[in-house]
Amino acid sequence: DQQVKQNSPSLSVQEGRISILNCDYTNSMFDYFLWYKKYPAEGPTFLISISSIKDKNEDGRFTVFLNKSAKHLSLHIVPSQPGDSAVYFCAASGSSGGSNYKLTFGKGTLLTVNP
Amino acid sequence: DAGVIQSPRHEVTEMGQEVTLRCKPISGHNSLFWYRQTMMRGLELLIYFNNNVPIDDSGMPEDRFSAKMPNASFSTLKIQPSEPRDSAVYFCASTNGLAGITQYFGPGTRLTVL
Repeated sequence: DQQVKQNSPSLSVQEGRISILNCDYTNSMFDYFLWYKKYPAEGPTFLISISSIKDKNEDGRFTVFLNKSAKHLSLHIVPSQPGDSAVYFCAASGSSGGSNYKLTFGKGTLLTVNP
Repeated sequence: DAGVIQSPRHEVTEMGQEVTLRCKPISGHNSLFWYRQTMMRGLELLIYFNNNVPIDDSGMPEDRFSAKMPNASFSTLKIQPSEPRDSAVYFCASTNGLAGITQYFGPGTRLTVL
């Protein structure tokens, strides 16, 4: 029973174009969402997050959009660069406060940015 | 500041042997998490500690797995006896609840059980 789903195992884009990575969730109790990036032989590193009270959060080239009614979020990377090539994980939490910091992860999407 | 430190980075062992993975969280962080990553199941949470106390160990696959956090700067994940299906990358992560719920991951330990 996957509560966080990344249905595209891989995505290939040209340098300079937009990369759009998608994530769907089923648990309506999730109220905080994060994207992590992972290079081979390294641990996941935090990229950007969004609270359920917002529908958009932007940080430089990275923007996360949240559609609560559709239980869908997406990560946009503009412009894409070869160094962005990595596995991207979507994660969700049911607690934006308190002591429960459990994150549920999707299985990841491998992004390849071609020069 | 040093990030999350894990050791060893690679471990190759034979079935039936005991394996101990180690983690040092970021100083000041009060929550620690152990994850396992496999191709089939992705990143799955095994156990997490808050203020050195295990809060949720529902992800621990079976009694062969145990985890301890004797103090705020050290945690171990032990597998005894190990089996080939335990082969995976094991990650440790930590967070400071006062700063939000973003978890910071270590580099992982790649475990191979022959």
